[in-house]
This record gives sequence, structure tokens and C-alpha cells, in this order.
Amino acid sequence: QSVVTQPPSASGTPGQRVTISCSGSSSNIGSDTVNWYRRLPGTAPKLLIYNNNERPSGVPDRFSGSKSGTSASLAISGLQSEDEADYYCAAWDDSLNGWVFGGGTKLTVL
Amino acid sequence: DVQLVESGGGLVKPGGSLRLSCAGSGFTFRSAWMSWVRQAPGKGPEWVGLIRSKSDGWTTVYAAPVKGRFTISRDDSKNTVSLQMNSLKTDDTAVYHCTTGGQFWFDPWGQGTLVTVSS
Repeated sequence: QSVVTQPPSASGTPGQRVTISCSGSSSNIGSDTVNWYRRLPGTAPKLLIYNNNERPSGVPDRFSGSKSGTSASLAISGLQSEDEADYYCAAWDDSLNGWVFGGGTKLTVL
Repeated sequence: DVQLVESGGGLVKPGGSLRLSCAGSGFTFRSAWMSWVRQAPGKGPEWVGLIRSKSDGWTTVYAAPVKGRFTISRDDSKNTVSLQMNSLKTDDTAVYHCTTGGQFWFDPWGQGTLVTVSS
């Protein structure tokens, strides 16, 4: 089991807003920033959100991140078919002295 | 454009060894922290370890499951980072990605190289 937990799946229809949660503990999300990665089918993961809520250049503002306590969330508004992908959260864990990733959430656009 | 290209994956028997390499281009390699992250089929990514830049001492940090078995090294003159994997186990089967970062985040990631540990 992952130290950081995510729901295995999420879904929405085009145009909807969906959120993906990421739950950790005081040694990871509770004490450090959260990053989100997206993996499109057949490609390598790509940084989507860093420092809890910042977007790298080129990432649309439809994607937003937030953090509260030991949990974080990724929100995608105006859902599009090309948003179908696997989404992962990650944070540094002070107790493990290493990075921890969530198990991933597979987003389906219905 | 920043590019990371991994090589060296393949099929190896349990207890065997394998060495992966990653060639970087399009960025100042010597200043970058470099990491390896693996992803087994159907699972989330798992951080393997990192090597810091020369200015940060070229020090390494490893995840518990690989500590003592895996070694990360770098050659800044060739813009390459390597992952020496010894005493391989079936649980080590995964696609291994090289990525810049590990200090704050990982970006970008290479396409990865598949390592299969099986008898």
C-alpha cells in the first residue's frame, strides 16, 4: 500500500469539474509541498502542478491544486476528452527520507 | 529542448545485475539533481533514489527497498547518470525512468527502460 493514498478512479463528462484527492500524513503532505503528475497513455509522467498550486509553463489554468493539512486536491475544470490519463500526487516524506507517490487515479471522460 | 534518454534495460534472472544509463541534453546537466523513478505495471511511480549536483556534494539518497543493492552515479563530463542494480529481485520489475530533479519536484522524465526480473 502507498504511504499516500488516492482514489483509484474518477470520472466526469465533458465540461464538468472533477477533483482528485490525495491523503497523506504529518511526515509528508503535512510538512512539505505537493506535486501532481499526469501520465497520458503510452507516455512518461509529466509535471502538472508543483508547490501545491503552481502550474508549469504550458499547463492550462483549467488545472489547479490545493493543500490543507495532510491532504491535497487536484481540480480539473472544463473537462476535455484529452484529460483522460493517470494522475499522481507526490511529496517528500521526512520520516522515510525519500519521495512518496500516490498510487494514482485513472480519470475517465465519459 | 530538455531530453533524457534511458538505456540498458532487459531481462535478468533473480540475483543478477544490470546497469542502466541516462543521457541528458538541453540543460546544464552538472547543476541538476538527477533521480530514478520506477513504475511497475498497474502501480504508481516509486522513487528509487537521487544524486545531487557537484555543488551539493554529489551525495546520494536511496529508497529503503533498494538501499544497499542499487548505486547511482553520474559523469558530468558526459552528461550521463547511471543506476547500477545488484541482487535483483522479481519485485524490481518495472519501467525505470530517469528524471531531473528530486530537490523540489521531478521534471522532465525520460521515456523509461523496462527491466524484467524473472527466472
